[in-house]
Amino acid sequence: GAVVSQHPSWVICKSGTSVKIECRSLDFQATTMFWYRQFPKQSLMLMATSNEGSKATYEQGVEKDKFLINHASLTLSTLTVTSAHPEDSSFYICSARLIQGAGNTIYFGEGSWLTVV
Amino acid sequence: ILNVEQSPQSLHVQEGDSTNFTCSFPSSNFYALHWYRWETAKSPEALFVMTLNGDEKKKGRISATLNTKEGYSYLYIKGSQPEDSATYLCAFNDGTSYGKLTFGQGTILTVHP
Repeated sequence: GAVVSQHPSWVICKSGTSVKIECRSLDFQATTMFWYRQFPKQSLMLMATSNEGSKATYEQGVEKDKFLINHASLTLSTLTVTSAHPEDSSFYICSARLIQGAGNTIYFGEGSWLTVV
Repeated sequence: ILNVEQSPQSLHVQEGDSTNFTCSFPSSNFYALHWYRWETAKSPEALFVMTLNGDEKKKGRISATLNTKEGYSYLYIKGSQPEDSATYLCAFNDGTSYGKLTFGQGTILTVHP
């Protein structure tokens, strides 16, 4: 089946620095990818929709200048958490949409744990 | 804000038991209901995508039903095995964008040998 790979799985960064998380569709092209965040004991919450070759669409309450999304190719979307603070510590996970004829399937990456110290 | 709720939050069963859990979602603007199985340190694995009221889908020992009019879906596991232990997520899609999912909190299933 289709595979989405996310990297890194774990990252610890200092407060005030930026960290980049990559999401790759390994065996298919994805014009649309999605970034979610999950805080402890909460649901996965959609942060933004990443569109290849155009600007990302952010959900209400998500700061676009803080969470920079770049989808420069059909197989790669990146999420950069800029000037990270401890409250940004969370689990981040991406998904990619595979279009097959009239159908669509969503595949998820493995997720990335971010800890800001 | 869309409200998707799953119950119970966690469940412990013995090997061989059958079990089921619930996902409730808005009954308006329904497009699709997704079920995922999520093991620790792995990617969520798609189980079912359900779109039609009254739909019932089956994959091995796992099956799911859908009632879009009242806004709920049931996931059933027959003869649970330890390898079924995982978090089961449901996610609602209102059709505004395929892949834009609103998730429930999940049901954590632990199957004891």
